[in-house]
Amino acid sequence: QSALTQPRSVSGSPGQSVTISCTGTSSDVGGYNYVSWYQHHPGKAPKLMIYDVNKWPSGVPDRFSGSKSGNTASLTISGLQADDEGDYYCCSYVGTYSPLVFGGGTKLTVL
Amino acid sequence: EVQLVESGGGLVQPGGSLRLSCAASGFTFSTYWMHWVRQAPGKGLVWVSRIKSDGSSISYADSVRGRFTISRDNAKNTLDLQMNSLRAEDTAVYYCARGYSQYAVYFDYWGQGTLVTVSS
Repeated sequence: QSALTQPRSVSGSPGQSVTISCTGTSSDVGGYNYVSWYQHHPGKAPKLMIYDVNKWPSGVPDRFSGSKSGNTASLTISGLQADDEGDYYCCSYVGTYSPLVFGGGTKLTVL
Repeated sequence: EVQLVESGGGLVQPGGSLRLSCAASGFTFSTYWMHWVRQAPGKGLVWVSRIKSDGSSISYADSVRGRFTISRDNAKNTLDLQMNSLRAEDTAVYYCARGYSQYAVYFDYWGQGTLVTVSS
């Protein structure tokens, strides 16, 4: 199973919005609504930000939103803040045999 | 407070074996899916394996199937990963992660990771 495709980096200024894409195939992102997003600050544990394409776990601000169109899922972060900076990974279900695949990760820089 | 503490990492030669453990506390371990996820130096996250709360369902990534074995002891609140026939490309920080709520496909709590280095 190949990793999902994410841009290597995105950037934005405080207060702006950025969108990170996650492109797969009809066998993963396009085939199931089991897409999640994780924020990872180096040296810390990753944090679940979005699940089921567009749902928030408790404690995650609604500045983070998820969506999906066809084989591409997206994470939009609005009202960028300095501590949003870090790495973001999408993850999708791909079936029962080898069920999960991550994207390659996107480094978000807040200018 | 949920805590996941990995141990067992270290330096091992290609073809060797290593057993990782994850000690869980602060939650009812026996009711959650558990996962192993790894991150090679400078690379992204890669899902490795998962095991259902009662051990009745197990899955592996293609890259480790047949070499790695996941297991759990619900009496001791521990999750293990037995890694055999190790390769250089298995070098990574290995995280144990708890499944989110009843879901088998998301992770809400992660450990700090244990480093496995496969090198001669």
